[in-house]
Amino acid sequence: EAGVAQSPRYKIIEKRQSVAFWCNPISGHATLYWYQQILGQGPKLLIQFQNNGVVDDSQLPKDRFSAERLKGVDSTLKIQPAKLEDSAVYLCASSLGKGLTQYFGPGTRLLVL
Amino acid sequence: DAKTTQPTSMDCAEGRAANLPCNHSTISGNEYVYWYRQIHSQGPQYIIHGLKNNETNEMASLIITEDRKSSTLILPHATLRDTAVYYCIVRLPGGGADGLTFGKGTHLIIQP
Repeated sequence: EAGVAQSPRYKIIEKRQSVAFWCNPISGHATLYWYQQILGQGPKLLIQFQNNGVVDDSQLPKDRFSAERLKGVDSTLKIQPAKLEDSAVYLCASSLGKGLTQYFGPGTRLLVL
Repeated sequence: DAKTTQPTSMDCAEGRAANLPCNHSTISGNEYVYWYRQIHSQGPQYIIHGLKNNETNEMASLIITEDRKSSTLILPHATLRDTAVYYCIVRLPGGGADGLTFGKGTHLIIQP
């Protein structure tokens, strides 16, 4: 069974530029999560989707971050404009449903210069 | 804030059992204990979870104390590939928002 796919794996941009990350969850997984992991810290939840609806986006910096899961499968996370402190690994995870085991993708490593 | 306390780092000799402790003294009756690990430059990997009883799978064993205030993850025969950061997480089953709250974890280093 294929795991969670993410792309790109690495991205370097300059501050104030825009960037987008893509996630394809495990087939049949209704719940999708985006996490941000700053170097030396554990991952922090940004947003949770159940199918194409948002369950929790309380920790998403909505002035610059946005995410969507229009058809309830793939998801994109966008940052516009990027700041230096957005340099981090962005992890996508999925689960069959809420409260069930989450499986993570390899992450996208973002460096903002 | 994370609801668990773990040692910052631990060493273990290759081939020996690695025992990773976790304190979760404020755990509520219906919260599960989950363990994930993160190998360098990879995403977190699910290991095991439990509620009250001890659990075992092909990767590890989870021992939860009777009062559920602490637990131990056991890797029975550690190999160099087990070097990683290990996260102990408590979470409620089902419900609405259920993102995982990660602490800083334990950096386990397996020595040859």
